[in-house]
Amino acid sequence: AQSVTQLDSHVSVSEGTPVLLRCNYSSSYSPSLFWYVQHPNKGLQLLLKYTSAATLVKGINGFEAEFKKSETSFHLTKPSAHMSDAAEYFCVADGPYNQGGKLIFGQGTELSVKP
Amino acid sequence: DAGITQSPRHKVTETGTPVTLRCHQTENHRYMYWYRQDPGHGLRLIHYSYGVKDTDKGEVSDGYSVSRSKTEDFLLTLESATSSQTSVYFCAIRTRGRGGTDTQYFGPGTRLTVL
Repeated sequence: AQSVTQLDSHVSVSEGTPVLLRCNYSSSYSPSLFWYVQHPNKGLQLLLKYTSAATLVKGINGFEAEFKKSETSFHLTKPSAHMSDAAEYFCVADGPYNQGGKLIFGQGTELSVKP
Repeated sequence: DAGITQSPRHKVTETGTPVTLRCHQTENHRYMYWYRQDPGHGLRLIHYSYGVKDTDKGEVSDGYSVSRSKTEDFLLTLESATSSQTSVYFCAIRTRGRGGTDTQYFGPGTRLTVL
């Protein structure tokens, strides 16, 4: 069965320091992988997606993620955190195509940014 | 925002009453989804639709029904609301990218409270 595990439920960083949000996946096929961000009381916004074209994926707002097949990881990074980055982040994989495009969500990582 | 609106945005209702949530899209996407979001569970799929009058169950479909009589509208009905259905409900559409890569985009959500 496919699964997505976000290794930290909460990450706290200081403004201007790097951000690392960790995600591992388990799948019997090569999935497409996504990171979504959710600000308080808002919907989910797509940050970036991996679709096998390139292992290093750049997204919006300075975020990027690297797909490492050998480690089954898709960690999200940003060189310098901004206060506006405080939100919840979801790592997501697409499910088997014959299941209607079902998405498999990680549990989420809440990012706090201290001034 | 992929042209997705949800209504109502907030609703408070009483146990045992029927409730219908509406998702409306403006871009003629074939696939539409309903999710619920609860603390500690991430997003879970309730039902999805792959065309007019074509729907299927997700992982948490008990107590919910859906209908899609027009491409642009996907309705979620709680036949007899229970307190366990207090949640935030998100609608999503799926787009097809180059090379067959699919991406889901989410609506702003509906916060439902069942007293």
